[in-house]
Amino acid sequence: DAMVIQNPRYQVTQFGKPVTLSCSQTLNHNVMYWYQQKSSQAPKLLFHYYDKDFNNEADTPDNFQSRRPNTSFCFLDIRSPGLGDAAMYLCATSRVRETGNQPQHFGDGTRLSIL
Amino acid sequence: QKEVEQDPGPLSVPEGAIVSLNCTYSNSAFQYFMWYRQYSRKGPELLMYTYSSGNKEDGRFTAQVDKSSKYISLFIRDSQPSDSATYLCAMSGRSGGYQKVTFGIGTKLQVIP
Repeated sequence: DAMVIQNPRYQVTQFGKPVTLSCSQTLNHNVMYWYQQKSSQAPKLLFHYYDKDFNNEADTPDNFQSRRPNTSFCFLDIRSPGLGDAAMYLCATSRVRETGNQPQHFGDGTRLSIL
Repeated sequence: QKEVEQDPGPLSVPEGAIVSLNCTYSNSAFQYFMWYRQYSRKGPELLMYTYSSGNKEDGRFTAQVDKSSKYISLFIRDSQPSDSATYLCAMSGRSGGYQKVTFGIGTKLQVIP
């Protein structure tokens, strides 16, 4: 089945130690997104790639970076994780065409804990 | 005022009940409306996707959009314990090119056997 796969499902890191989360997709969608979701909150968009074009949300901290080396893969890098960065990180993909948006499809997320 | 308002619940219903979940919104530019189901420690799963006003049915699920009232609903018939999850409404704007999706906070539903 075509899908969005996130690895790892659970990640524990130390305060200030860089961490990378990965996402891959077999849907061949042109847009990939990273969201942060804290308990009982709506997913918060951090940034998205429209093909190779990177789009950062205005309130995304500089501590968060992303890379998309090809259509199928996207990475989220947190350079110096703080306690407030503990959350579920969700990757999503969608196909955006001139005729309209298609809905986003999500992976199962990576739950990040900070020690 | 938030762009999308959704009651977080929790909402508890007996098995077999009809469930009604709702969102209101303030942005009249929204044209695409979605409902996602999110189980604990999992990612959101797309349930329904509708464009503009009207009803859409898929099995036990019916999505309803009333653009004049800026109000959307998801109805679940014959609810099952496996329907226990958080339901997120989501919406986005005009057709053509990329549009950011705005999510509600989610309503936590518990179906009691």
